[in-house]
Amino acid sequence: IQLTQSPSSLSASVGDRVTITCRASQGISSDLAWYQQKPGKAPKLLIHAVSTLQSGVPSRFSGGGSGTDFTLTISSLQPEDFATYYCQHFNSYPFTFGGGTKVEIK
Amino acid sequence: EVLLVESGGGLVQPGGSLRLACAASGFTFSSYWMYWVRQAPGKGLVSVSRINGDGRTTNYADSVKGRFTISRDNAKNTLYLQLNSLSAEDTAVYYCAKSRGNAFDIWGQGTMVIVSS
Repeated sequence: IQLTQSPSSLSASVGDRVTITCRASQGISSDLAWYQQKPGKAPKLLIHAVSTLQSGVPSRFSGGGSGTDFTLTISSLQPEDFATYYCQHFNSYPFTFGGGTKVEIK
Repeated sequence: EVLLVESGGGLVQPGGSLRLACAASGFTFSSYWMYWVRQAPGKGLVSVSRINGDGRTTNYADSVKGRFTISRDNAKNTLYLQLNSLSAEDTAVYYCAKSRGNAFDIWGQGTMVIVSS
């Protein structure tokens, strides 16, 4: 199963609403997670099962979608949100990741 | 505190071998599938291998099958990855990760493997 993220990068300002898309090459039910990674650090789990927020993750992050098309939305971008975001499916091993979306400061 | 700490990375020549370790603490290690994920410099995340709780079931990415071996010692709460026949394409940060079933909820800090002559 291949995951295609778009865009691969974006520039946005603090306070902007940002949406990242992840498209699967076949249906993956609700077996999708999102991670945030900052330079030199390990990825951090944000969302699992498409839309369930991991404990401690701010509510400005939300996930949605079904089947093959999924989204990660940041409702109001904060300075600490500038990072790279990855989707990952858990439908069948190997649990592949999307190519990543780098969110940069405009 | 739930923690994963990798070790064993370093510089190795092409064709060489290395053994990575991931020490776990703060959770019942033997109850969870554990994973290795790698990230080449400036690139994305790639699943490498996984092992179930009792160590009897393992899976590998095609790119490492036959060269890498995943194992675990539940008495020592430690996950391992044996890397053999290394090439420049294996240069990456290697992360261990704990699965909560539908996501990797805990990650180690990563250990760097550089394959170069």
